[in-house]
Amino acid sequence: EVQLLESGGGLVQPGGSLRLSCAASGFTFSIYAMNWVRQAPGKGLEWVSRISTNVGKTYYADSVKGRFTISRDNSKNTLYLQMNSLRAEDTALYYCATNYSTAYSFDSWGQGTLVTVSS
Amino acid sequence: SYELTQPPSVSVSPGQTATITCSGDNLGNKYTSWYQQKPGQSPVLVIYEDRKRPSGIPERFAGSNSGNTATLTISGTLSMDEADYYCQAWDTSPGIFGTGTKVTVL
Repeated sequence: EVQLLESGGGLVQPGGSLRLSCAASGFTFSIYAMNWVRQAPGKGLEWVSRISTNVGKTYYADSVKGRFTISRDNSKNTLYLQMNSLRAEDTALYYCATNYSTAYSFDSWGQGTLVTVSS
Repeated sequence: SYELTQPPSVSVSPGQTATITCSGDNLGNKYTSWYQQKPGQSPVLVIYEDRKRPSGIPERFAGSNSGNTATLTISGTLSMDEADYYCQAWDTSPGIFGTGTKVTVL
């Protein structure tokens, strides 16, 4: 069974940094692309970033490009999101998601970790 | 940037059919997925590649996609289907989500 467990969320001041982690289990982590998707309180879903498999090619939403960095450690089955220069509008529940059994969908999701950017 | 537009809300009586649309430029040329999200829960994939159902998703969920519009149809709607629904497609960015539709079962 695919399991994704996010951690690292919390309260941070505007301009600050935070690193999120997503521990994966139940599948061969290294051969699947991974994503971060966020949801601001009371709002819709927003795809944030994606990282491919071993090659590590990365993609970002325009809203976070240049501020966020996605990475992965296949030896630890862990996905990361380094978030710098945080803004109030980055406040959201951040989900880790993958397309384990589908090519163009997010079929497996974690429970999310909450990031609050506020002074 | 590519955008997907959904109606903010849809109301349906129990046992009736709920239809949720998702509009985007030439959406019919892209694979569309649909997600169900209940309060306090993570999204759940209910339709992928326009019309396929993941294992465990009831047959009352069906999808189609043509032209500029993708559609999620819930037949014989149950109270448990009350949730937010999001469409999603792949464009130059890996994941574009629709604006979301709240389905209320009255």
